[in-house]
Amino acid sequence: AQSVTQPDIHITVSEGASLELRCNYSYGATPYLFWYVQSPGQGLQLLLKYFSGDTLVQGIKGFEAEFKRSQSSFNLRKPSVHWSDAAEYFCAVTSGTYKYIFGTGTRLKVLA
Amino acid sequence: DAGVIQSPRHEVTEMGQEVTLRCKPISGHDYLFWYRQTMMRGLELLIYFNNNVPIDDSGMPEDRFSAKMPNASFSTLKIQPSEPRDSAVYFCASKRGGADTQYFGPGTRLTVL
Repeated sequence: AQSVTQPDIHITVSEGASLELRCNYSYGATPYLFWYVQSPGQGLQLLLKYFSGDTLVQGIKGFEAEFKRSQSSFNLRKPSVHWSDAAEYFCAVTSGTYKYIFGTGTRLKVLA
Repeated sequence: DAGVIQSPRHEVTEMGQEVTLRCKPISGHDYLFWYRQTMMRGLELLIYFNNNVPIDDSGMPEDRFSAKMPNASFSTLKIQPSEPRDSAVYFCASKRGGADTQYFGPGTRLTVL
């Protein structure tokens, strides 16, 4: 069955520390992968996406993600977290059939 | 670009009442999606339209839910009668055909008492 797993429900980091949010997928076809961020009371904003090519993709707000086919992973990283990064982060996958499958989300807390 | 517009942003109603949620997609986008977000189930796709035609409504929970798209710039999601378990945040998203990125609206937070 197609699925997306975000193993960490909550993550807390100190401001300035590095961040890695995990995403694993199970998908029969070649996946298109996305990371979205949801700030409190807001909709989902696209951070970055991977369709093909270079497996390290750069996104907005200083985020990057690396696609590893052998590990079925698409982890999100940021070298130095800012207090404004506190939000919920969603990984999603689609094969281009327009139906996204979302992970359950990881809520990030940033300590001053 | 104004982005996806949803109204109302918050809705509080009593069990048994009819609720109508509204969405205006981004101009030029020919796909429209309705999602529901709850703590228990996360983000679920309810239904999506292409060129105003419903393509997949397999996510619609039951007959109390219905969605329409009378034209390219407007869609509604209706719940009749509403129940407390319908309380959730409902998102609308749109995309352009040939592109793979969906753009989300701010959501409608529905509370059914």
